[in-house]
Amino acid sequence: DIQMTQSPSSLSASVGDRVTITCRASQGIGNYLAWFQQKPGKAPKSLIYAASSLQSGVPSKFSGSGSGTDFTLTISGLQPEDFATYYCQQYSTYPITFGQGTRLEIK
Amino acid sequence: EVQLVESGGGLVQPGGSLRLSCAASGFTFSSYWMHWVRQAPGKGLVWVSHIHGDGSVTTYADSVRGRFTISRDNAKNTLYLQMNSLRPEDTAVYYCAVLPDYWGQGTLVTVSS
Repeated sequence: DIQMTQSPSSLSASVGDRVTITCRASQGIGNYLAWFQQKPGKAPKSLIYAASSLQSGVPSKFSGSGSGTDFTLTISGLQPEDFATYYCQQYSTYPITFGQGTRLEIK
Repeated sequence: EVQLVESGGGLVQPGGSLRLSCAASGFTFSSYWMHWVRQAPGKGLVWVSHIHGDGSVTTYADSVRGRFTISRDNAKNTLYLQMNSLRPEDTAVYYCAVLPDYWGQGTLVTVSS
């Protein structure tokens, strides 16, 4: 199975900050990577697919980059509603696997 | 608008069975692979199973293979997950999804005596 490792596991930031979350795959996955946002008690929400393509309706403050094994999610101009847990997911090879999550908290 | 609505969760004893359903609307259901993903309380997301649009191909995570069966009824736009021989470690919110784009709201399965 492909292991997905996110860093950091948790992150404290202030409103208005720009943050970057990284995701590393244990083997190359091309650009078959997605990013999700999840708030407590809610279903995940898709943000990014194909490593850098923004889902419809997702604000451009979210951006993704990378290919192969190393990927990043960047969030600019943090707002209170952005504080949540973020997951990466590879869909290059089955079984589909997720990162362990990055919890973004308000400083 | 795409909607995925899960149902069928609940409390079941170890060794018991449950059947989850996911009613889909807002897209051509038969054209898409469908997935089940679960999340144990306070834990991360874990992929469980998927099924081809015509039902001809299914795949399972090692942890559920032989106990869970995924199926679909394209005439009813509904996805199913038959869960047998349930274990306490199967306790989780179960989401149906069109990965990576759409997720349902989830249904909670609790396996406990």
